[in-house]
Amino acid sequence: AQTVTQSQPEMSVQEAETVTLSCTYDTSENNYYLFWYKQPPSRQMILVIRQEAYKQQNATENRFSVNFQKAAKSFSLKISDSQLGDTAMYFCAFMVGAQKLVFGQGTRLTINP
Amino acid sequence: EAGVAQSPRYKIIEKRQSVAFWCNPISGHATLYWYQQILGQGPKLLIQFQNNGVVDDSQLPKDRFSAERLKGVDSTLKIQPAKLEDSAVYLCASSTGTQGEQFFGPGTRLTVL
Repeated sequence: AQTVTQSQPEMSVQEAETVTLSCTYDTSENNYYLFWYKQPPSRQMILVIRQEAYKQQNATENRFSVNFQKAAKSFSLKISDSQLGDTAMYFCAFMVGAQKLVFGQGTRLTINP
Repeated sequence: EAGVAQSPRYKIIEKRQSVAFWCNPISGHATLYWYQQILGQGPKLLIQFQNNGVVDDSQLPKDRFSAERLKGVDSTLKIQPAKLEDSAVYLCASSTGTQGEQFFGPGTRLTVL
């Protein structure tokens, strides 16, 4: 069974700083997808970034980038120039094929002015 | 493009009562998911539909939970009778089903008293 672990329950940084959220996962699959989702207080789960396991190049989306280490089964999210609107719960998730998403426990990120 | 719609947004019931949630996925999305998110945890899949057929319901408590997706479009999730531990946010998501991104609705927050 696949598992996803987020070891940081809460993090807090100042606006404009860079922050890195950690995620590790366990699987015996070779082809899979990894995601970071953002969930603000409104509860809407919003996709931040995705990574296909067969791609060696790390995914980037504007201020968001990942450090994907397949051998170490690690998938961290870096947020550069953090903004107040980045305050939310962040979930790391894993998916094989078109199956279910397996989520981690989440990291509550607070950006302070 | 309209997103995933869910109703109601909030529901409060007493234990042993029944409740139903409704989800309308993004038009053309063949795959529909229901997740349960208990406070402080990541979402957990309850059931996955491909068109109107069930793909995965291994985590659905079938003695009290039921779900259907008539005509492969809208879906309803029912709980009967509800227990205190069913208090959670119920998230509906849809995707094209071909390893695509899952799009989430705003969720229904259920409180069982």
